[in-house]
Amino acid sequence: DTEVTQTPKHLVMGMTNKKSLKCEQHMGHRAMYWYKQKAKKPPELMFVYSYEKLSINESVPSRFSPECPNSSLLNLHLHALQPEDSALYLCASSLGTPPNYGYTFGSGTRLTVV
Amino acid sequence: GQQLNQSPQSMFIQEGEDVSMNCTSSSIFNTWLWYKQDPGEGPVLLIALYKAGELTSNGRLTAQFGITRKDSFLNISASIPSDVGIYFCAGLTNMDSNYQLIWGAGTKLIIKP
Repeated sequence: DTEVTQTPKHLVMGMTNKKSLKCEQHMGHRAMYWYKQKAKKPPELMFVYSYEKLSINESVPSRFSPECPNSSLLNLHLHALQPEDSALYLCASSLGTPPNYGYTFGSGTRLTVV
Repeated sequence: GQQLNQSPQSMFIQEGEDVSMNCTSSSIFNTWLWYKQDPGEGPVLLIALYKAGELTSNGRLTAQFGITRKDSFLNISASIPSDVGIYFCAGLTNMDSNYQLIWGAGTKLIIKP
């Protein structure tokens, strides 16, 4: 298995909703990441988990809450989002940190906040 | 902060043409990564470069790690319709826990009908 699987593929949520994005990989990678990508822009790093521990939080607002239940799973819990949070949310994994061999990205969750 | 300058921003080419894009910086990088992103998908790693001067191919794609470690280029030979998409370079600054992965702004490749 050489994939990072993200669900759901599309999500529309209201500003008072609570939802979660899920990410799964079975490549034995020990680092997992959440990225946010706006249209026509490069991905922006949000969080890094290394060996299931949060190692980097790029000053992300608390309405985004990551969780790493085990080495294969990564969640992003969303609450009280704003319309400007609408974006493509990408999960990625790498063998370790730093990501010397690059990341494997999932296909992303297209999030629309209404 | 550290920046990567990726050019061109977009390219309109005819099918069969060769394509060249590059990334430059005032900073030194230890690793260069080239990704391609199709609409509605995540980026896919094309080529990774680890040593100054390294030239690596992946099919019709060739990338080089600049001698100064501050630049890299990606060439695509004999472009085909499925080459359309956005190409990103990314540079890794360090080999330890204080690393940063800096992304270029992307090059959008469009093939003229």
